[in-house]
Amino acid sequence: GAVVSQHPSWVICKSGTSVKIECRSLDFQATTMFWYRQFPKQSLMLMATSNEGSKATYEQGVEKDKFLINHASLTLSTLTVTSAHPEDSSFYICSASRSRVAGMWEQYFGPGTRLTVT
Amino acid sequence: GQNIDQPTEMTATEGAIVQINCTYQTSGFNGLFWYQQHAGEAPTFLSYNVLDGLEEKGRFSSFLSRSKGYSYLLLKELQMKDSASYLCAVMDSNYQLIWGAGTKLIIKP
Repeated sequence: GAVVSQHPSWVICKSGTSVKIECRSLDFQATTMFWYRQFPKQSLMLMATSNEGSKATYEQGVEKDKFLINHASLTLSTLTVTSAHPEDSSFYICSASRSRVAGMWEQYFGPGTRLTVT
Repeated sequence: GQNIDQPTEMTATEGAIVQINCTYQTSGFNGLFWYQQHAGEAPTFLSYNVLDGLEEKGRFSSFLSRSKGYSYLLLKELQMKDSASYLCAVMDSNYQLIWGAGTKLIIKP
């Protein structure tokens, strides 16, 4: 159990366009979902944390108007990169956490989405 | 500030044992995670420690000393498929994961 999917797995878009990435928890209800960005040879960088039905909490330096996050249900969160530019090209990974179980807050990661902006 | 330190890169031989260290300084502590990440893929969960001591899971073991702010991941009987980055992450008092930069492990035949 605890499978998280992401769609699409890779996307190429032109500069100035918007791209939506979906993150779904397939076999559990995710009270919290996280969006990360990872540049080559670097560690994960948390972009935002979202709880179902409420506004996302963005990390310092992440533009909330550029990276729109919607967490409409307990199994789906979306990240929309608006007016994408080449510097937004990166590996975007979501993770989902279910309610606290036995004191453990494990995050289950999706397979990631590779975004290339030309 | 919050800080997670782990070596950038390590090399080991197939069949051998390797220990990857992680030291941390965080505001509060709610557990330490180890994740494995193959190139171009998302991280996969390996272990979670919240109490001091050693947790063994097959060929992988993870150790924690909260008083020293220290953990290690021990990999035994190394296989070529273990070549990957190993990420140490600590959950702070706000239940937020603080990530280390990762240790790239290279396995040689």
